[in-house]
Amino acid sequence: DSGVTQTPKHLITATGQRVTLRCSPRSGDLSVYWYQQSLDQGLQFLIHYYNGEERAKGNILERFSAQQFPDLHSELNLSSLELGDSALYFCASSVGISGGVNTGELFFGEGSRLTVL
Amino acid sequence: DAKTTQPNSMESNEEEPVHLPCNHSTISGTDYIHWYRQLPSQGPEYVIHGLTSNVNNRMASLAIAEDRKSSTLILHRATLRDAAVYYCILRDGGNNNDMRFGAGTRLTVKP
Repeated sequence: DSGVTQTPKHLITATGQRVTLRCSPRSGDLSVYWYQQSLDQGLQFLIHYYNGEERAKGNILERFSAQQFPDLHSELNLSSLELGDSALYFCASSVGISGGVNTGELFFGEGSRLTVL
Repeated sequence: DAKTTQPNSMESNEEEPVHLPCNHSTISGTDYIHWYRQLPSQGPEYVIHGLTSNVNNRMASLAIAEDRKSSTLILHRATLRDAAVYYCILRDGGNNNDMRFGAGTRLTVKP
């Protein structure tokens, strides 16, 4: 158990719909990362938040958005869903930055499997 | 971003050592070398990381070349549970806010 909680574990929806994936980081971790992993594909970095602020954007579509709340949990919003958005979405957390150094290993949740029909 | 190059796949026999190579010829002085692995149907998990010196932990050892342009993850005795995709990643210790995974090496362990 990594200590990172993702909900829901599975989600089936239709094209054009909107879904929200939730991530609760490990206690004390300030950084949250989101990744997308399509079938037989590698992990694509989407976005990173640190203590409520966006720190880095990767290959995140404009239809997708994320935020990190004051209690440090994060949500990934996916809208106007397409068949190609079907994937595993992972959240990871880490301590963040300490003494000016980006520290800490990433701890990954078990993922949310999204199926768009 | 500094990039890494890994073989697509490797095979090993159970209970034998495994050496997983990674080339990172464009590594900068502040880049840490991280290794993660992803077991089937699971999220990635941290294995080990280092900067210049070789590192050991309960899971593996990391051997870093003197010029830091390559590194090797060493599993001392492979088990069937070690079958996974292994990712070698460079991460700037001072100013990096993302963590980008490449294709990794798929390790198959034969009984």
